[in-house]
Amino acid sequence: SQQGEEDPQALSIQEGENATMNCSYKTSINNLQWYRQNSGRGLVHLILIRSNEREKHSGRLRVTLDTSKKSSSLLITASRAADTASYFCATDSGGSNYKLTFGKGTLLTVNP
Amino acid sequence: DTAVSQTPKYLVTQMGNDKSIKCEQNLGHDTMYWYKQDSKKFLKIMFSYNNKELIINETVPNRFSPKSPDKAHLNLHINSLELGDSAVYFCASSRKMGDRGYSGANVLTFGAGSRLTVL
Repeated sequence: SQQGEEDPQALSIQEGENATMNCSYKTSINNLQWYRQNSGRGLVHLILIRSNEREKHSGRLRVTLDTSKKSSSLLITASRAADTASYFCATDSGGSNYKLTFGKGTLLTVNP
Repeated sequence: DTAVSQTPKYLVTQMGNDKSIKCEQNLGHDTMYWYKQDSKKFLKIMFSYNNKELIINETVPNRFSPKSPDKAHLNLHINSLELGDSAVYFCASSRKMGDRGYSGANVLTFGAGSRLTVL
């Protein structure tokens, strides 16, 4: 079964606004990660939150995790045109393989 | 220095052909992966190797064969290419928990991708 389904699928905002993306997953996890993918490029790791954490910050990024609801959100504050990219959540369910399972992503467009 | 490099970046070929994509990482990671990203940007894991040993083999047609000559390289060979194989293939690497005493999380470093178009 697919883990990590993001919503919305696409989000368009103005520079300076905040962007919030959500991720839901189905099974228990070890940690949840967010990655960014610029057009035509590979994915880049942004931030990781462990299953025993509720909130984490990194620069303009804020991630929350609610394990009871099996959901996470990524907030990008004071967005910039350079933040335009697809954002993916990925769940690590632990186990012997430590497989990361990615969602379908949210395409964020930040208009100047 | 490119951490995870894969070649070629673009590959256009006819149905029925056989092609290979190569991947190399210079991060000293023990684990490498192949992911497939379809036209809707959905990323699906195909294979994972840890120190040259296959540890993840998802439901992938046996026309796809990964090969890891050493832990810094993971190649993907595809036989009898089909239209549905058209996608972007990403190589990635990580330090997996347990690798040489590593107790951190499994964070992936991706290559730039290889776009395969089958005509």
